[in-house]
Amino acid sequence: QKEVEQNSGPLSVPEGAIASLNCTYSDRGSQSFFWYRQYSGKSPELIMFIYSNGDKEDGRFTAQLNKASQYVSLLIRDSQPSDSATYLCAVYGAGSYQLTFGKGTKLSVIP
Amino acid sequence: EAGVAQSPRYKIIEKRQSVAFWCNPISGHATLYWYQQILGQGPKLLIQFQNNGVVDDSQLPKDRFSAERLKGVDSTLKIQPAKLEDSAVYLCASSLDRVGRNSGANVLTFGAGSRLTVL
Repeated sequence: QKEVEQNSGPLSVPEGAIASLNCTYSDRGSQSFFWYRQYSGKSPELIMFIYSNGDKEDGRFTAQLNKASQYVSLLIRDSQPSDSATYLCAVYGAGSYQLTFGKGTKLSVIP
Repeated sequence: EAGVAQSPRYKIIEKRQSVAFWCNPISGHATLYWYQQILGQGPKLLIQFQNNGVVDDSQLPKDRFSAERLKGVDSTLKIQPAKLEDSAVYLCASSLDRVGRNSGANVLTFGAGSRLTVL
């Protein structure tokens, strides 16, 4: 069973700080990595995806992928109270058509 | 473009009863997914369709759950008979194509979900 692990949190950061969310995965052949944000009572919405090792930036968000360490992270710069949500890491494994989600990390940005 | 439509939004039933959820994906999206999300957990894939064929149903409890995708568009997920542990949000999602083909942003777009409470 392919696994995606996330610290459930809650992770609390002050407004304006950098929030760092981490995710590890068990399938070394995994190819595609996604970060979704889920507000309480709402459905997940895509933040960004990354396929290649290194960093990918989109506005205040940066995804970092290290396939050798089987590790993907999401950095949120200048965190805002509106960023308070659960962040889900999702991984598409090798030889599988299944997108596997972690349990999510709950982020609280304190004003 | 219109999003993924789901109904009903909420359903309360007693154990051993049956329930059905409906999903209409984004127009033109070939791949449709049903996920189950239990409170405090991440979504778990139940079944994935590519057009009207099943790609993956390895985690679908087939003794009580069934799903179909008529004509490669709408889909229905049925639970019969329901158990207490089926209480969850059932999320439908769609994508242009199967996730993993690195041809672009073949990402999942989720519907609002159907919240099921089994008493």
